[in-house]
Amino acid sequence: DTVMTQTPLSLSVTPGQPASISCRSSQSVLETDGMTYLHWYLQRPGQSPQLLIYEVSRRYSGVPDRFSGSGSGTDFTLKISRVEAEDVGVYYCMQGRTFGQGTKVEIK
Amino acid sequence: QVQLVQSGPEVKKPGASVKVSCKTSGYTFTSYGISWVRQAPGQGLEWMGWISPYSGNTHYAQRLQGRVTLATDPSTSTVDMELTSLRSDDTAVYYCARDRHGRYGSSWPEYWGPGTLVTVSS
Repeated sequence: DTVMTQTPLSLSVTPGQPASISCRSSQSVLETDGMTYLHWYLQRPGQSPQLLIYEVSRRYSGVPDRFSGSGSGTDFTLKISRVEAEDVGVYYCMQGRTFGQGTKVEIK
Repeated sequence: QVQLVQSGPEVKKPGASVKVSCKTSGYTFTSYGISWVRQAPGQGLEWMGWISPYSGNTHYAQRLQGRVTLATDPSTSTVDMELTSLRSDDTAVYYCARDRHGRYGSSWPEYWGPGTLVTVSS
């Protein structure tokens, strides 16, 4: 089974500063149809997860453009260009039906 | 708008079974897959299984195979998740989520339910 490894596991960020989360897969996630089904979710405290980014780099409806996704093969990154207070929570990457361990983002 | 309403919290004894319901609305029930994901207290997300309301096809996480069953009731646009032989480490919040597409291999959870807490304790 594919293992998704996120780093770091926690992040403390000053508002207005950038943040970056890495997600590495134990094997290539490029599918035979040429697509890469790598997605990012944010779970705010006490809430259900919400979709942020799908298919590596496509921002979901309503997601601010300070969020961006990139990567290919086995290495993927979620970037927040300027962290805001509402961005706190745990971020998960997901490939296929496997989640990463999650990265907790806090505000300094 | 898409809505997923889940049944209420459950407290079960070890060895018992639990059924959690997910009533959907706001879209064509048979056009999208439904995933189930659980989250133990203070832990990450664990995918449990998927069902196609169109075909009834299911896929289950290997570690839960034989204990988890998903089923649909098209008459009420509801998906049920049953987990048997409960253990203390099954204590978790259980989420249903409507997938982006109806095809298992190329879809992912898009809309999430509020979650149902299942507590397993003697």
